Formats: sequence, structure tokens, C-alpha cells
Amino acid sequence: AQTVTQSQPEMSVQEAETVTLSCTYDTSESDYYLFWYKQPPSRQMILVIRQEAYKQQNATENRFSVNFQKAAKSFSLKISDSQLGDAAMYFCAYRSARSGGGADGLTFGKGTHLIIQP
Amino acid sequence: ETGVTQSPTHLIKTRGQQVTLRCSSQSGHNTVSWYQQALGQGPQFIFQYYREEENGRGNFPPRFSGLQFPNYSSELNVNALELDDSALYLCASSPFAGDDTGELFFGEGSRLTVL
Repeated sequence: AQTVTQSQPEMSVQEAETVTLSCTYDTSESDYYLFWYKQPPSRQMILVIRQEAYKQQNATENRFSVNFQKAAKSFSLKISDSQLGDAAMYFCAYRSARSGGGADGLTFGKGTHLIIQP
Repeated sequence: ETGVTQSPTHLIKTRGQQVTLRCSSQSGHNTVSWYQQALGQGPQFIFQYYREEENGRGNFPPRFSGLQFPNYSSELNVNALELDDSALYLCASSPFAGDDTGELFFGEGSRLTVL
């Protein structure tokens, strides 16, 4: 079974600074998807960024980028120019890319609480 | 475009009772999945429905059951409630099973408290 580990229960960063959230995972599969989801106090999970394991290029979405190290099974999220609206729980998640793998659902880490200091 | 909506937002039950949670998928989505998120934890996959049939299940006992209707709305039923069932229950929809983007669209959840 796949596991996802987020070793930072809480991180704090000054507004406009850069912060990196860590995630490691364990899998025996070679093809999969990795995600970062954001969960603000409103509780609705929102996709921040996704990475396909077969792609070597790291995904970027505006101020959000990832450092995907497949051999190390590491998938960190970098948030540049942090804004107050970035404050939330951030969850790293894994999904198999094999045919029918979507039916296994997403495997989530325990989350990192990100605090933005004004 | 209407997003994923869930009801009720909060509810309180006592141990041994049964509960039904409801979810309306995002327009155009025919796959729905349910997750349980205990306090301070990440969501855990309960099951997924596609074309009104369960096609995937996590490590949850049979007293967790579901339905998907022809309009792609869904229900999660939990029988014989236990204290540990207290959690936020999240519904998520996606355009179709096997969608390679893998992205799920979540509702705001139903907070269940079991006393």
C-alpha cells in the first residue's frame, strides 16, 4: 500500500517570503500522480498543483512550484511571495496512474498547517 | 457551473444510530468518491461510485455504504454509529472514471459528531 508522509505539522512564514513544504511517499509503482491540495478554514479542498511521475519537468502554477525527486520519492511544494490568503492546511496526495487506479482513491498525508505572518 | 454541494453541513447523532449524508456532483461529473477526515488528519478514502456502481473501496467496514443516482448525486450511509465515526465527511466528484488528470473537486463537507 502507498503511504504519504508530511513531516512538518506546522510552518510559519512572513508575508512576501518563500516557504517550502515537504512531502515524501512510498510506492512500488512507477507511474502515478502527485498532488498538493489546500484546505482553508472553509473546509473545501482545492487543488494547488499536480505532477505526473513520468514527467521529469517540475510543475509550476504561478507562485506555486514543486521539486519532484522521483528516486528519493520526494515531492515538496514551494510557495513564493507568500500572501495572507495562502494560510491553510496543505495536503500532499498520491494516486496510482495504472488503468483503473483512480478507483483506489487518493492517499493523503496528514497535512501541514501554514501560517502567514503579516 | 455549479460546484459540489453537500448536506447537511453539521449534524449530531448518538452511538448506534444511522446517518445519511448527501452530495450533488459538479455539473458534468459522473464519478463521485467519499472521504473521511478525522480531526487533525488527512482525508481517508471510503469508496468511489461510477455509473451507479461502487468501483473502488478503501479500508472501511460494510456499515459504510453508498448510492449514486442517475443524476450523479450520491449518498453516504453509515449504520451503527461509533464514537470514532465523528469526522468531516468529504464528497468529491470528477468528470469520468480513469480521467488522467486525477483531479478531484471537493465539497465543503459534512461535520458529523457522534455522542
